[in-house]
Amino acid sequence: AQKITQTQPGMFVQEKEAVTLDCTYDTSDPSYGLFWYKQPSSGEMIFLIYQGSYDQQNATEGRYSLNFQKARKSANLVISASQLGDSAMYFCAMRAGNTGKLIFGQGTTLQVKP
Amino acid sequence: DTGVSQDPRHKITKRGQNVTFRCDPISEHNRLYWYRQTLGQGPEFLTYFQNEAQLEKSRLLSDRFSAERPKGSFSTLEIQRTEQGDSAMYLCASSFMGPERTRVLVEKLFFGSGTQLSVL
Repeated sequence: AQKITQTQPGMFVQEKEAVTLDCTYDTSDPSYGLFWYKQPSSGEMIFLIYQGSYDQQNATEGRYSLNFQKARKSANLVISASQLGDSAMYFCAMRAGNTGKLIFGQGTTLQVKP
Repeated sequence: DTGVSQDPRHKITKRGQNVTFRCDPISEHNRLYWYRQTLGQGPEFLTYFQNEAQLEKSRLLSDRFSAERPKGSFSTLEIQRTEQGDSAMYLCASSFMGPERTRVLVEKLFFGSGTQLSVL
């Protein structure tokens, strides 16, 4: 069975500092993709970053980077230089095998303090 | 606005009534997904279409739920005989999947703002 686990229900970070949001996953399929989405209070899910299971390097997208540790089955999101607009819910998700569906974790609420 | 559009944004209904939601995907997208999200939880997969074909359904999708995408463009999700447990945000997402099946893993979903359903 495939599963995504996010163990941090809520996180606080000071503006301009970096923060790491944890994500672990479980799958027996050797081919999988890992995603992070942001969900602000408006409700729309916004794609942030993608990491493939065969990618040799950690993914980066602007202030977002993914700390991919395959042996530990973790895919933590690092947000550098936090901004007030980063306050939102963050979801880790996975797609494995040939299925089209994404499986999401429970989410982490991030609050950025001024 | 060329994003994924969902209608209505909010729906309040009484238990036992039927409701229907509509999703208009990004115009060139051939895949369309439905998810359900309850408060404080991550989205749960319900079903998805490639063009008109419904390719996968979750066991969460009981026989009271039906989804259609008749012409491969917009989709509707109908819930019959609503129950209080159906109260949730219903999210629609779309994506484009080309003939190269090897790219399925990197397929990025674009989400709408959802329909918030409250069953009284």
